[in-house]
Amino acid sequence: DAGITQSPRHKVTETGTPVTLRCHQTENHRYMYWYRQDPGHGLRLIHYSYGVKDTDKGEVSDGYSVSRSKTEDFLLTLESATSSQTSVYFCAIRAGLEGITEAFFGQGTRLTVV
Amino acid sequence: AQSVTQPDIHITVSEGASLELRCNYSYGATPYLFWYVQSPGQGLQLLLKYFSGDTLVQGIKGFEAEFKRSQSSFNLRKPSVHWSDAAEYFCAAHNNAGNMLTFGGGTRLMVKP
Repeated sequence: DAGITQSPRHKVTETGTPVTLRCHQTENHRYMYWYRQDPGHGLRLIHYSYGVKDTDKGEVSDGYSVSRSKTEDFLLTLESATSSQTSVYFCAIRAGLEGITEAFFGQGTRLTVV
Repeated sequence: AQSVTQPDIHITVSEGASLELRCNYSYGATPYLFWYVQSPGQGLQLLLKYFSGDTLVQGIKGFEAEFKRSQSSFNLRKPSVHWSDAAEYFCAAHNNAGNMLTFGGGTRLMVKP
């Protein structure tokens, strides 16, 4: 299995509080992604990173920010959590070697905003 | 806009029956295509992928998928479904730059005994 660890695995937080989710990889892969999964919507890309300090927005980036200060860690921050951000969040990594390679996923973080 | 569509939200099949899950894509050029499976409470596992070449690709767990350029489709098939195949299945595609992996909405498969 690809070495991807998401923390925490579960979190309950109050509306308006900041929340940071962490994705840690041991594969030295170039690309890292944050997705949210909601019933009926599949997985939607929030932000992704293509290198240290290099990030870009996905399709549902409003209300989220990310940082990647070293290859192995990709942080997702909800600056002021809202109930609409209750979801399951998945981190993924991809090698980005010659050609297109598949992504490997973490186990997910279930976030509940009350 | 680039997109991936899975027309069937739920599918129920009997154990031992054949299975086909549909996937359509909308990209300017042929994207790179993937099928993932997600068991309850788990992350996603890659079943198979298509980059180029032979349009019929074999994957793990007895699954295969066929790329049809004329139909912009990449349907997943299995000749005989097992109860353990009950899960949610996601079709996905890379954009041409290879940075963004876009998912369909998923198809939840139920298997009747």
